[in-house]
Amino acid sequence: EAGVAQSPRYKIIEKRQSVAFWCNPISGHATLYWYQQILGQGPKLLIQFQNNGVVDDSQLPKDRFSAERLKGVDSTLKIQPAKLEDSAVYLCASSLNTGSGAFFGQGTRLTVV
Amino acid sequence: AQSVTQLDSQVPVFEEAPVELRCNYSSSVSVYLFWYVQYPNQGLQLLLKYLSGSTLVESINGFEAEFNKSQTSFHLRKPSVHISDTAEYFCAVTLNTGGFKTIFGAGTRLFVKA
Repeated sequence: EAGVAQSPRYKIIEKRQSVAFWCNPISGHATLYWYQQILGQGPKLLIQFQNNGVVDDSQLPKDRFSAERLKGVDSTLKIQPAKLEDSAVYLCASSLNTGSGAFFGQGTRLTVV
Repeated sequence: AQSVTQLDSQVPVFEEAPVELRCNYSSSVSVYLFWYVQYPNQGLQLLLKYLSGSTLVESINGFEAEFNKSQTSFHLRKPSVHISDTAEYFCAVTLNTGGFKTIFGAGTRLFVKA
């Protein structure tokens, strides 16, 4: 069974630039999550999709972050413009249902300079 | 406010010694509980989970965790650790607040020494 695929693995950008991350969840998983993990901290949920609808985006900084999940499969997370404090690992995860636990991708390590 | 606290940021232990990684949560609603493991240079993997039923749950590699509702805890234990258990361990709680919201702890780095 293929896992959660994310790209790119690494990205370095200057502040005020924009960046986009891509995620392909496990086939058949209706729930998709984007997490931000800052060094030394646990993952923080940015946005949760159920199929292509948003379930929770309460911690997404909507003035600069956006996410979409077209057709209920792949998803993209965008930051525009980036700030230094956005440097983190961005994790995508998917799950069959809430109680099954989530499968995580390898993450994208973003460095904003 | 709901939160997940992992009381130890780092736990050094000798090989074959027992270990306990502590996790406490605060919530007034029903929860699902998870432990995830992140080996060096790898992604997060589900280690074990508690949904309902028996409060003691086990993983395939010898870890176990016990849900204690009165103490709102879900501590992870292993009677004898191996070098290969060196990793970061995250406790997570999914809250049933009408929708489902998952909160992670800050993680505990387990370092197993020879």
